[in-house]
Order: sequence, then C-alpha cells, then structure tokens
Amino acid sequence: AQSVSQHNHHVILSEAASLELGCNYSYGGTVNLFWYVQYPGQHLQLLLKYFSGDPLVKGIKGFEAEFIKSKFSFNLRKPSVQWSDTAEYFCAVRGAGNMLTFGGGTRLMVKP
Amino acid sequence: GAVVSQHPSWVICKSGTSVKIECRSLDFQATTMFWYRQFPKQSLMLMATSNEGSKATYEQGVEKDKFLINHASLTLSTLTVTSAHPEDSSFYICGPLMGGAGNTEAFFGQGTRLTVV
Repeated sequence: AQSVSQHNHHVILSEAASLELGCNYSYGGTVNLFWYVQYPGQHLQLLLKYFSGDPLVKGIKGFEAEFIKSKFSFNLRKPSVQWSDTAEYFCAVRGAGNMLTFGGGTRLMVKP
Repeated sequence: GAVVSQHPSWVICKSGTSVKIECRSLDFQATTMFWYRQFPKQSLMLMATSNEGSKATYEQGVEKDKFLINHASLTLSTLTVTSAHPEDSSFYICGPLMGGAGNTEAFFGQGTRLTVV
C-alpha cells in the first residue's frame, strides 16, 4: 500500500521568507505526484503535478517541486512567500488503483 | 481542465436523517469515482471507490451500510449518508477519474460540508 508523509504539520514564516515543505512517499512502482493547496473555507486546488520527465516541476503562484526518486521525495518550494499563501498544503501520490493517497497536510501561516 | 460539480456545497441536517450528495462530471465520463472525507484539521482520507455499474469498494473502517454509493452512470455518482450522527459531520469530496486516460490530473468536486446536529 502506498503512503505519504508530510513532516511539517505547522509552519510559520514572515513574508518574503523562503519555503520548503517536505513530502516523502512509500510505493515501489511508478507514481504520479501532486501538491494541492486549500485556502481557508475553500476546496482543494492543484498547485502542481509530476507524471514524468523533468523532475523539477513548476506550478502556479510561483511554487515548484522537485521529484527525487532515490529519496522518494517531492518537496514543495517557493523562494519568497506572501501573506496570501497562508493555507493548508497537501502532498498526494497516485500509484496502484488510481486513487490518491494524501499526506497529513501542512498548515502554513505567513505573517505580514 | 475537467469540470466537476458537487452538490450541495453545505448541508445541516438533524441526527437520524439521511443526506444525499451528488457529484457530476460535466464534460467527461468518469468510469471510476473516489469519495474522500476530511475531518477538521485532518487530511483527506479515501472512503470508497466505485466503478460505473458496480458495487463500491469501501476502505477499512468505513461502513458500507451507512455510506451508500451509487454510480449508475458515467457522469453521476451519489453518496448518501444514512441515519447521520454528529460524528459524521465532515467535509466530503468526490474525485472522478476520467475514463480511458493514463496519466491525467486528478479532479475533485468542490466538496460538501456536512453538519449533523
């Protein structure tokens, strides 16, 4: 069975700080990897995804993530966060069965 | 991207009543539907997987008689929470899988916030 682990449950940053959220998964086969964001009171929105090819993927709103196969990781990064990035971030893996397995989420708070 | 419509977006019901949540894929056919649940301050957890015309497969710990899933067509799936109790209060999200597609983006409905009082 596949599983996803997000190491940081809560992150507090000041505006303009750099962000890196960790995501590790466990699954032996080919995976699709996703990062979703959930703003307060809203539904999930896709930030970026990796299926194949260049392991460094760029998403919306200045986010990027790097797939490192040897480390089973797919960390999310942003060089300079804004107050509007305050949200909860979910890493997800799709392997066997096509369903998504989500990590526990990281709640990010950006102080203005 | 594909359009998914989930209805209602929020509902409040009395304990003991049933609530039906609809999920429609508006511009594609969903051969498979995933239903997720998100409790406050927790991650999304898969409840069940259904294929069009077949019985749903439920994850461990999810009561199939309580959460009735119907996936009678390629564009509509419903989740009925029967005899709802306050502990069923949660955010329910559908995730249709586009039929015939290999590596594709995962799509989600807007979610339904259920509050049982």
